[in-house]
Amino acid sequence: NAGVTQTPKFQVLKTGQSMTLQCAQDMNHEYMSWYRQDPGMGLRLIHYSVGAGITDQGEVPNGYNVSRSTTEDFPLRLLSAAPSQTSVYFCASSPWTAGSGNTIYFGEGSWLTVV
Amino acid sequence: AQKVTQAQTEISVVEKEDVTLDCVYETRDTTYYLFWYKQPPSGELVFLIRRNSFDEQNEISGRYSWNFQKSTSSFNFTITASQVVDSAVYFCALIIPTGGGNKLTFGTGTQLKVEL
Repeated sequence: NAGVTQTPKFQVLKTGQSMTLQCAQDMNHEYMSWYRQDPGMGLRLIHYSVGAGITDQGEVPNGYNVSRSTTEDFPLRLLSAAPSQTSVYFCASSPWTAGSGNTIYFGEGSWLTVV
Repeated sequence: AQKVTQAQTEISVVEKEDVTLDCVYETRDTTYYLFWYKQPPSGELVFLIRRNSFDEQNEISGRYSWNFQKSTSSFNFTITASQVVDSAVYFCALIIPTGGGNKLTFGTGTQLKVEL
């Protein structure tokens, strides 16, 4: 019963480095998304995907790249890390819509620090 | 565009007090879903409740209760007889399902501190 798995849980990067945050779900959900959480700002949507091969931008997409080659995986790439990307990142997955009582499942979060 | 406002940044109460966390939302859509999540100090997001826009019934679950009022666009959360374990950040969130997908719009959160 893995649910949504995010790795790594903690990461320190130097400015300009690249890295990938991994997200995997084993519930065959169509919808996956990435949020970032910053103090005083709640969680904001970075990118989302409604199915394999389909991705779109959320509220704060700049500096991030995503792809969805399989239903299970939705990695988030930081191309050239900046201190402004220091944040906590959450991956989420769910069935297609929020209707019919569908639940949105969150990963445990990834704490990223860019120095 | 939709918006969720949690005006209370931080609330401190003494154990056994009742506390209400406010949530006000904005949307022009008639179909939407409202959520509350708890984020304890360990950092994960814990789902508490989902309410759709057509169901204005208040809900009670143990010490937790929710008051949904469309007339004031509010979805407030009350903890009765608070306990130290209730100390956490609480987020209210909104989904507009138009066009499909589950894009959550979150409020900025309310930090609840329950002290002995």
